Amino acid sequence: SQQGEEDPQALSIQEGENATMNCSYKTSINNLQWYRQNSGRGLVHLILIRSNEREKHSGRLRVTLDTSKKSSSLLITASRAADTASYFCATDDTGFQKLVFGTGTRLLVSP
Amino acid sequence: GAVVSQHPSRVICKSGTSVKIECRSLDFQATTMFWYRQFPKQSLMLMATSNEGSKATYEQGVEKDKFLINHASLTLSTLTVTSAHPEDSSFYICSASDGGSGNTIYFGEGSWLTVV
Repeated sequence: SQQGEEDPQALSIQEGENATMNCSYKTSINNLQWYRQNSGRGLVHLILIRSNEREKHSGRLRVTLDTSKKSSSLLITASRAADTASYFCATDDTGFQKLVFGTGTRLLVSP
Repeated sequence: GAVVSQHPSRVICKSGTSVKIECRSLDFQATTMFWYRQFPKQSLMLMATSNEGSKATYEQGVEKDKFLINHASLTLSTLTVTSAHPEDSSFYICSASDGGSGNTIYFGEGSWLTVV
């Protein structure tokens, strides 16, 4: 089953700009994770935020979580062409790593 | 860091045949692994939970007799697509957790299956 809806579905920006992706989910969660996937490749884990956390940073990434609105956002600052990929949020409502993925956002960063 | 290996990375098979995909945790033990399927330009859909030493748990709508999962050891789970059809062509990807405090899950690189 699909848990999360992500928006936008696609995002096209210039290098140096910030990219924001949003994820909404339906049920209570233990944690929410963001992943990157380059075309035709496996997933790269970006960041995990627990249900009792509101914000987390990792390098150029900033993730927020609003459990009251059942939503999360991923901000990539000062984007680079190498950031071009699909980004997925994934929720874990059991704490046992059974992830349910959102619909994904395809990000294109032009030089 | 923990690594999950999938093999083969790409496979082409004829309709009606079976194909096996392996998922190995290389430097940790995984009592539970997960199998996902991803069609082009779509998201990952959880197919089943693979439990070491017991039967897999399948998600609703996934045919357990078609997608056979075996988790015979703490480092290996296999997915066998039986009597494959062209509509089974997809990207199959597994994941495993080392159960560490970080709660991080590690994904394999995925396997592209093309049924002709």
